[in-house]
Amino acid sequence: ETGVTQTPRHLVMGMTNKKSLKCEQHLGHNAMYWYKQSAKKPLELMFVYSLEERVENNSVPSRFSPECPNSSHLFLHLHTLQPEDSALYLCASSQDLGAGSWYEQYFGPGTRLTVT
Amino acid sequence: AQTVTQSQPEMSVQEAETVTLSCTYDTSESDYYLFWYKQPPSRQMILVIRQEAYKQQNATENRFSVNFQKAAKSFSLKISDSQLGDAAMYFCAYRRYSNYQLIWGAGTKLIIKP
Repeated sequence: ETGVTQTPRHLVMGMTNKKSLKCEQHLGHNAMYWYKQSAKKPLELMFVYSLEERVENNSVPSRFSPECPNSSHLFLHLHTLQPEDSALYLCASSQDLGAGSWYEQYFGPGTRLTVT
Repeated sequence: AQTVTQSQPEMSVQEAETVTLSCTYDTSESDYYLFWYKQPPSRQMILVIRQEAYKQQNATENRFSVNFQKAAKSFSLKISDSQLGDAAMYFCAYRRYSNYQLIWGAGTKLIIKP
């Protein structure tokens, strides 16, 4: 595997289910990100981790719970979601956060989540 | 707060022709980066081109070039010799020099007509 991978690619879940999204980066990066992409809206940054420590939590509802056990893996645990949470969830990684310099963010293919 | 606006929800172009996608942004910062990302149907977001605000010279990457107008806060993407593989959503993004967070536009869907 190369780059950033995400599993599953598609997920359908009921509002009472608990599921997890997985992201893995094979690039040796130190920073990882979760984004939510809804149709015709700008990407929304949800969470940012740097060296396994969370550095950003953009007022995301508690029904979304991130976990970063090491710098290569990032999870998004989901529980009691709402239909409006249906979206494409993208994971990205970068060498470092890049404040003051530029580090490209590399994206995974996303998980298409449908909440019924 | 910084914002990024892409005023064209959809554009179409004939294969082999040139198309320009528009992007404007709002910021009070003087140092920042601007980006164009491409998201094909495979959904994998790919960086197409970037521009540092302090550079006056417009960035180019093969068939892709930008027209960066700092005073007008405009950052358009020109795709020359359009190919079928260029069909995708294109997103403009802004980042302050001192911060890692990308601010995204809503995207432009580019259709290539054979």
